[in-house]
Amino acid sequence: EDKVVQSPLSLVVHEGDTVTLNCSYEVTNFRSLLWYKQEKKAPTFLFMLTSSGIEKKSGRLSSILDKKELFSILNITATQTGDSAVYLCAVETYNNNDMRFGAGTRLTVKP
Amino acid sequence: NAGVTQTPKFQVLKTGQSMTLQCAQDMNHEYMSWYRQDPGMGLRLIHYSVGAGITDQGEVPNGYNVSRSTTEDFPLRLLSAAPSQTSVYFCASSYFGTGELFFGEGSRLTVL
Repeated sequence: EDKVVQSPLSLVVHEGDTVTLNCSYEVTNFRSLLWYKQEKKAPTFLFMLTSSGIEKKSGRLSSILDKKELFSILNITATQTGDSAVYLCAVETYNNNDMRFGAGTRLTVKP
Repeated sequence: NAGVTQTPKFQVLKTGQSMTLQCAQDMNHEYMSWYRQDPGMGLRLIHYSVGAGITDQGEVPNGYNVSRSTTEDFPLRLLSAAPSQTSVYFCASSYFGTGELFFGEGSRLTVL
């Protein structure tokens, strides 16, 4: 059965810290891995990764995929209180347009 | 820019009642889907559609029906509500094949 596992489940840091969120997966017919940020309501898209070793970057956020070891990391540098959210990892496969989500990592950034 | 619109935002039902969660998108997306989000379990796919007239089951379809008569609308019907269906429901859409999902604001459903 396809599965996506995120770690840690929750994390508390102080402003200015750097954090690394992990996402490992076991799926058949991998297509892409996506990261979303969920604050109070709807998840919003951060990155989509399809190739190993190519870093995607947006401001203080970056992400990379390792298709051999089946995981991805999301890095946030110089964290701010506005980064507090649940970060969701999702893996898309070629099987019936399925997108499987992990349980999420709840990040709390304290002033 | 409406994007994906879900109604209602909140609903309380009694066990056995039926209801429909509405979802509409104005981005001409071919792909639409319904997810439920429960604590500690992430988002789980209920049903999805790759175009008008085409629907299919996701990971947790039991107790739910969908239809897709137009590109814009994708309602989710609960046939006979059960307490296990208490959850937050998200509708999402995307251009077919891009992967990036655009989510609605969510509908919080409580079944007593």
